[in-house]
Amino acid sequence: GIQVEQSPPDLILQEGANSTLRCNFSDSVNNLQWFHQNPWGQLINLFYIPSGTKQNGRLSATTVATERYSLLYISSSQTTDSGVYFCAVDDSSYKLIFGSGTRLLVRP
Amino acid sequence: ETGVTQTPRHLVMGMTNKKSLKCEQHLGHNAMYWYKQSAKKPLELMFVYSLEERVENNSVPSRFSPECPNSSHLFLHLHTLQPEDSALYLCASSQGFGQGVYREKLFFGSGTQLSVL
Repeated sequence: GIQVEQSPPDLILQEGANSTLRCNFSDSVNNLQWFHQNPWGQLINLFYIPSGTKQNGRLSATTVATERYSLLYISSSQTTDSGVYFCAVDDSSYKLIFGSGTRLLVRP
Repeated sequence: ETGVTQTPRHLVMGMTNKKSLKCEQHLGHNAMYWYKQSAKKPLELMFVYSLEERVENNSVPSRFSPECPNSSHLFLHLHTLQPEDSALYLCASSQGFGQGVYREKLFFGSGTQLSVL
C-alpha cells in the first residue's frame, strides 16, 4: 500500500519564526489533505490540496503530485500553532492514509 | 467548532462494561467515519458509512459495533473491550461519496478519550 512519510517528526520554534513541513508519498494519489491536531485532540482540516498551491492567512500549502510531495508553510508562527500536523492521502482505493505527523511546539 | 459533535469527551470503562460513543454532524454531510488514534500510531480508519450504509469495515474486532441510524448520527457500541483498545476515538464526516469517499474534505469531531481498565 501507499506509504506516507512526514518530516521532521518534531520541531521547536520561537514565536515569529517560519517553518516548512514536508509530506512524501510513495505512489500516485488523487487527493491530499493537511490537518492540525491541537493539544486537546481536535483535528482541523487546513487544506484540501491534490495539486497546486493554496494560502490561508499565515499558512500555505503546495502539492507537486508528479514528484509525490507536499509542503506546508507556516509563517510568523504563534503559540497557538502548536500541535501535530498530519498529511493524509487517498489512492485508487477509497482509504485515506495518514502520515505519522510532525509535532510542533512554538515557544513564546 | 467543526460542526461534528462527539460525546462523551472522556470515558473510563471496565472490560466487562457496555458503552456507546455518539457522533452527530450538523453539516448536511452524507458520509461519516470512525477513526482510532493510539499513542505513537497514525490514525486508523475503522468504519465508513455513506448514506447510512456501511461501506468499510477495516478488519475491526467484533467488540466494536457501529450503527448509523441516519445521515446525521453515528454510534460506536463497545463491549468486552481490552486494555489495548484504550485510545482516542474520532468521528469525521464529509460531504459526498462521489467516485471516491475521500475526495472530499474531512471534518473531525473532538474525539472521545477512552480508557479501558
